[in-house]
Amino acid sequence: GQSLEQPSEVTAVEGAIVQINCTYQTSGFYGLSWYQQHDGGAPTFLSYNALDGLEETGRFSSFLSRSDSYGYLLLQELQMKDSASYFCAVRSYQDSNYQLIWGAGTKLIIKP
Amino acid sequence: KAGVTQTPRYLIKTRGQQVTLSCSPISGHRSVSWYQQTPGQGLQFLFEYFSETQRNKGNFPGRFSGRQFSNSRSEMNVSTLELGDSALYLCASSTGPGGKNIQYFGAGTRLSVL
Repeated sequence: GQSLEQPSEVTAVEGAIVQINCTYQTSGFYGLSWYQQHDGGAPTFLSYNALDGLEETGRFSSFLSRSDSYGYLLLQELQMKDSASYFCAVRSYQDSNYQLIWGAGTKLIIKP
Repeated sequence: KAGVTQTPRYLIKTRGQQVTLSCSPISGHRSVSWYQQTPGQGLQFLFEYFSETQRNKGNFPGRFSGRQFSNSRSEMNVSTLELGDSALYLCASSTGPGGKNIQYFGAGTRLSVL
């Protein structure tokens, strides 16, 4: 089967750096995405990696290693507003269709 | 550009009833996906429609069905509601299954089954 694994919860301190990991097992790989969801809100797109390496967008960076079936989201200079759930999603190909496979989400708790 | 619109935002039903949820995608988007979200369960994929055709379906019973119209608007129907169907139902639109397939989510419909 296809699956993604990410930690259920991560705790960090305001101003610090935190890394949220995502490992995947999918049939075919066409890209890894990250989404942020605040409590009571809708998920919003953060980043996308199709090739190995680091993609930087302001305080957020995302990394991919296809050989290790692994990626991570790096959040720097943490702010209280970064408290949210973060989901990784892999675009794969199965049964003649592209599919988006989702992780269960990581709840990021930030302490002052 | 208007975002994804889901109606209604809140819904209360009783067991055994049926419900229809609506989703209007971002203008120009032809793909609509539906998700069920319950506390601590992440996003459970229901189905995806593209150009009025169901392309993918998650592992949900046949009580859950959907359709997409020629204007890309989509509806999701749940028949014979069960208590366990209480959840936030999210709709997401994208330009299509190719490329990054970035999902733009609506605010969701919160369904409570009593």
